[in-house]
Amino acid sequence: AQSVTQLGSHVSVSEGALVLLRCNYSSSVPPYLFWYVQYPNQGLQLLLKYTSAATLVKGINGFEAEFKKSETSFHLTKPSAHMSDAAEYFCAVSDKDTGNQFYFGTGTSLTVIP
Amino acid sequence: EPEVTQTPSHQVTQMGQEVILRCVPISNHLYFYWYRQILGQKVEFLVSFYNNEISEKSEIFDDQFSVERPDGSNFTLKIRSTKLEDSAMYFCASKGGGRAQETQYFGPGTRLLVL
Repeated sequence: AQSVTQLGSHVSVSEGALVLLRCNYSSSVPPYLFWYVQYPNQGLQLLLKYTSAATLVKGINGFEAEFKKSETSFHLTKPSAHMSDAAEYFCAVSDKDTGNQFYFGTGTSLTVIP
Repeated sequence: EPEVTQTPSHQVTQMGQEVILRCVPISNHLYFYWYRQILGQKVEFLVSFYNNEISEKSEIFDDQFSVERPDGSNFTLKIRSTKLEDSAMYFCASKGGGRAQETQYFGPGTRLLVL
């Protein structure tokens, strides 16, 4: 089975600083990878996804993530944090063959300090 | 933009009672899912549904759980006899059926509290 590890359950950055949220997956075959964001009292919104095309993926709200097979990582970054980025971020993986269930990480809560 | 909707947003029930959580997936989607998130824990897969039958389910999805697509728009999760440990946020998701339709779109969730 797939699994996802998100290092750091809480990350705090200053407004304007770099955002780096870490995600590592365990799979012998590169899967599909996703980042979702959850704002308070809302559902999971897709930020970006990797589906074996370009390894650097750009998403909404200025976020991007780079798939690194050698490191089995899919870290999420944003050059300059905005107050509105404060939310819970989830990394998820699905099996490329079945594309069925998603396996989620435990989530990272991002706080942006003014 | 089409979105997945869920009702109710919050539900409080007594242990042993039956609850039905409702979801309206995106209209042209073919795959439907339920996930849950116990407070402070990761989002966990419960079940997937395709072509009017369960295609995959997790160990969590025991005999107390059932899913149904009673009409062309709703997708429901029933818990027959709720337990305290069923308290969680329940997310519905749906996915299109075409090639490269790998993204699951999630609803806002139903927060279930079992007392």
